[in-house]
Amino acid sequence: SAVISQKPSRDICQRGTSLTIQCQVDSQVTMMFWYRQQPGQSLTLIATANQGSEATYESGFVIDKFPISRPNLTFSTLTVSNLSPEDSSIYLCSVFSTGFLEAFFGQGTRLTVV
Amino acid sequence: GDSVTQMEGPVTLSEEAFLTINCTYTATGYPSLFWYVQYPGEGLQLLLKATKADDKGSNKGFEATYRKETTSFHLEKGSVQVSDSAVYFCALSFYNQGGKLIFGQGTELSVKP
Repeated sequence: SAVISQKPSRDICQRGTSLTIQCQVDSQVTMMFWYRQQPGQSLTLIATANQGSEATYESGFVIDKFPISRPNLTFSTLTVSNLSPEDSSIYLCSVFSTGFLEAFFGQGTRLTVV
Repeated sequence: GDSVTQMEGPVTLSEEAFLTINCTYTATGYPSLFWYVQYPGEGLQLLLKATKADDKGSNKGFEATYRKETTSFHLEKGSVQVSDSAVYFCALSFYNQGGKLIFGQGTELSVKP
């Protein structure tokens, strides 16, 4: 299995500021995924982070709002920029194990924008 | 595009009742199918999976069968416990897309003693 450490676990931020979320995996992985879970909603994929190339964003998500870094095969960051109350959500990083044929998730970052 | 539709919640059952949470999917091709569970205050974890048609995934008394003809993957348990109270997510994935998941909207289950 893969162990994912995500931090911070929660934060309260002022509108207009930014929050950077870190995700560390205990093994090397090609792709890392960032999801958003809005209050009472399901998980929606924001982007796929590949090491050595630009992240691939899903429809409705843009790089200016959600810049992603992937400096190596075990680490990624997601920044949520220019925060508004609508960005209040849980953000999760995930990796997929081809060996176990399942996705593993970090504990999530609960963001509240005030 | 690909999508997953789940039975609306919340679902409230008495302990030892039978549980069914419906899940249907729309996809081009043959995805792998998953049920994930999110217990209160905890992270998302895999409950069971099926990678091809007619496969049955099972874990902790829960079962789901991959039905290609009805594009369904309904979750069942014969006798629920209070500890099964959680949010359940049905999801699909294509391995050639790196394993990214498309989730259903989630179904909240509350089991009363």
